[in-house]
Amino acid sequence: DVKVTQSSRYLVKRTGEKVFLECVQDMDHENMFWYRQDPGLGLRLIYFSYDVKMKEKGDIPEGYSVSREKKERFSLILESASTNQTSMYLCAISPGPSNTGELFFGEGSRLTVL
Amino acid sequence: GNSVTQMEGPVTLSEEAFLTINCTYTATGYPSLFWYVQYPGEGLQLLLKATKADDKGSNKGFEATYRKETTSFHLEKGSVQVSDSAVYFCALSTTGTASKLTFGTGTRLQVTL
Repeated sequence: DVKVTQSSRYLVKRTGEKVFLECVQDMDHENMFWYRQDPGLGLRLIYFSYDVKMKEKGDIPEGYSVSREKKERFSLILESASTNQTSMYLCAISPGPSNTGELFFGEGSRLTVL
Repeated sequence: GNSVTQMEGPVTLSEEAFLTINCTYTATGYPSLFWYVQYPGEGLQLLLKATKADDKGSNKGFEATYRKETTSFHLEKGSVQVSDSAVYFCALSTTGTASKLTFGTGTRLQVTL
């Protein structure tokens, strides 16, 4: 079974703090994704990565950055957290290279910015 | 661009009732279509998928048929259970986008005894 682990289930941070959300997979999958989930808006893609040190912007990258130094780990960074970044963050991986469109998700990290 | 439209929830049904959750899409090319389910406190998991027109995806008693003529992929189940209470997301991906999915807004289903 594919396992996607997100480091923190719940975080509370203050405005202006730097926030790291980490995602680790237990297989050698190439494609990793960060989404945010908000009521009434569904899931929106923030960033994704095809391989180590490679990243591409998704639909809502503003205010976020990412890091992928090792294949199994994909980090989402909020350089200076703001209250409008309060959300549920979901990491996902896609077993490549078949590109079936199937994603495997972590359990999510719920971030509250005060 | 690609987009997915789902019926708004919440949908509240009694156990053993028939379920339909509507989903329509707009996409360039020939997308693959998916239904994902999110149970309380969990991440999303794939429920079913269809990769070409007239395909029917099915799993756990749920079904959806890829209708190209109406650009729809409605989710149905003949008899829902309390354990089906969850949020359901319709999604699509298009060729060459390496599993980059476009999701709908989600429909919450609550099933009561």
